[in-house]
This record gives sequence, C-alpha cells and structure tokens, in this order.
Amino acid sequence: SQQGEEDPQALSIQEGENATMNCSYKTSINNLQWYRQNSGRGLVHLILIRSNEREKHSGRLRVTLDTSKKSSSLLITASRAADTASYFCATDPFGGNQFYFGTGTSLTVIP
Amino acid sequence: GAVVSQHPSRVICKSGTSVKIECRSLDFQATTMFWYRQFPKQSLMLMATSNEGSKATYEQGVEKDKFLINHASLTLSTLTVTSAHPEDSSFYICSASPLATGYEQYFGPGTRLTVT
Repeated sequence: SQQGEEDPQALSIQEGENATMNCSYKTSINNLQWYRQNSGRGLVHLILIRSNEREKHSGRLRVTLDTSKKSSSLLITASRAADTASYFCATDPFGGNQFYFGTGTSLTVIP
Repeated sequence: GAVVSQHPSRVICKSGTSVKIECRSLDFQATTMFWYRQFPKQSLMLMATSNEGSKATYEQGVEKDKFLINHASLTLSTLTVTSAHPEDSSFYICSASPLATGYEQYFGPGTRLTVT
C-alpha cells in the first residue's frame, strides 16, 4: 500500500492554540499536498509543497517537508472553531496524479 | 476556481441493483479523473484512474467488473457499482486535474452510497 500515516489520529485543542499534524510517507515524491475535509463532505485543497521546498506558508497554515525523513507537518496557528475538520496529506509517488492519502488527523477546536 | 460536481450526492439502493455515479468537471477539461472511496472515519483510498477514451486503470484489489468506469468525454466520468452489496456502502469521491496545470486536484463533493 502506498498510503502514508498521520499522527496524531485525533487532536483536540482550545481556540487560539496552535495545531500541529504530522504525515509520513513511503516513497519518493514530486510534491505533497494537504487537504481538509469537513464531516461527510468533499475535500478542500489547502497547500502544495514541492519536493525541493522545505517550508511553505499560506495564511495561518505552515507546511514543512523533510524528504530525507519522508515526512511533512502542517501547522495551523491561532486555531478557530471553524478549523474543526479532518486533515489529510496526499502524495503522488508516480507523477501521474494518482494521490495516496495519509490516514488523516481529526482536529477538534473547542471554542 | 475549478469545480467538480458529482451526482447524485446521496443514493440508497437495494442489494443486487446497480448504481451509477457521475463526476463532471464544470469549467475545465480533464483527460484523467480519479475515483476514491472512503469508509467512515477512514482515509480516502484510490480505486482507479479514469482515462478519457481508454480503459480505466484499477488499483490492486479493486474489482474492475464490480466497479465499471467510463470516461466518455473530457468533462465526464461515471462509476457504476454493479450488483451492489451492503459492503459496497461507502462515500465515493472523484477528482480531476485541469489539463493546463497537472498538479492540483479538484475534488467532487462526494456521493454517499447506502446499500440495504
């Protein structure tokens, strides 16, 4: 299986705190992407980081990538209740746009 | 931005019947679309790659005769779950990449299939 793993599986924090999620993957990659999914809904693309990048920012999101460790992290700063969702990393190991998703982190932000 | 739609959003069918799910890219063309399934509280699992004008490519362990995929045009792919059984109940999601970019995937809102 190409599926990666994420930890923690579930994370519960207070509004205003930062949330950090980690993703580990198995193969070499061209890029890694993070997605968010509200319960029972489709996915929303958050951020893409290429294999030659180490860090990327988008608003309150900060993504890091360590290709030597085959891992990535997603940091959400100053969390809000509306950030409550599941977050998935996805890799494209074959360069054909077939995405393999991590196991996901369920984030709950308590107002 | 690019929009992908799915129809229906929710379907309930009896065991033994077949169900067709449509995936459309509304404002872009896609030679390739992808089908995923997601069980409750689990991640998305890639089922198959739908190729416009040719046969779909299935991931290991996915029955191609069970999950028929047709990619008739650059904006439409269909997934037919044949002779559905309760274990086929799942959330099915499609995605597509615009021809121009090739990187970013746009996901449909998903179809909730319940087989009784």
